[in-house]
Amino acid sequence: TQLLEQSPQFLSIQEGENLTVYCNSSSVFSSLQWYRQEPGEGPVLLVTVVTGGEVKKLKRLTFQFGDARKDSSLHITAAQPGDTGLYLCAGTSSNDYKLSFGAGTTVTVRA
Amino acid sequence: NAGVTQTPKFRILKIGQSMTLQCAQDMNHNYMYWYRQDPGMGLKLIYYSVGAGITDKGEVPNGYNVSRSTTEDFPLRLELAAPSQTSVYFCASRRSAEAFFGQGTRLTVV
Repeated sequence: TQLLEQSPQFLSIQEGENLTVYCNSSSVFSSLQWYRQEPGEGPVLLVTVVTGGEVKKLKRLTFQFGDARKDSSLHITAAQPGDTGLYLCAGTSSNDYKLSFGAGTTVTVRA
Repeated sequence: NAGVTQTPKFRILKIGQSMTLQCAQDMNHNYMYWYRQDPGMGLKLIYYSVGAGITDKGEVPNGYNVSRSTTEDFPLRLELAAPSQTSVYFCASRRSAEAFFGQGTRLTVV
């Protein structure tokens, strides 16, 4: 069973501050993804990382995949109220086709 | 440009009733998934399918059944609804890395 642990569970910050969300597992993943979900909607993909040590940037968001492909982080610089939402990490392993999700981090950015 | 379509959007069931949640995708994706999401939480995998005629259990399959007779459709069946099955259900499909999700079905069992 792939178990993805996200931390923290909740994060409330002021506009302009930085934040980091973590996703950890004891399993090795062939790819790891970050999704953002808004209330009443399905999750929407932000990024996919596939190579150990990979760093991807999406405007103010920076995603990193651990060297051993067991963990990942999402860093938001100068957060804005529009960044508010539930952030979910998800992973697939090379030996099955499951797409497993972490429990999510609820981010609230106050204006 | 439909993507993944789920029906119904909302449903109230009485304990012991049965129902089928419909999911259809028009992207010719092989992999399809059913998840449930409780308030403020992540998604728990119920069942998944890697192609027509092939299904497998996820983390929380008890109380549910699925079938995959075509590439497009992946219905989820609840046979004897229980209050513990009150949740929001999401269907997803993917070909490679990115998964595309439906809008969800909000189910309440009373």
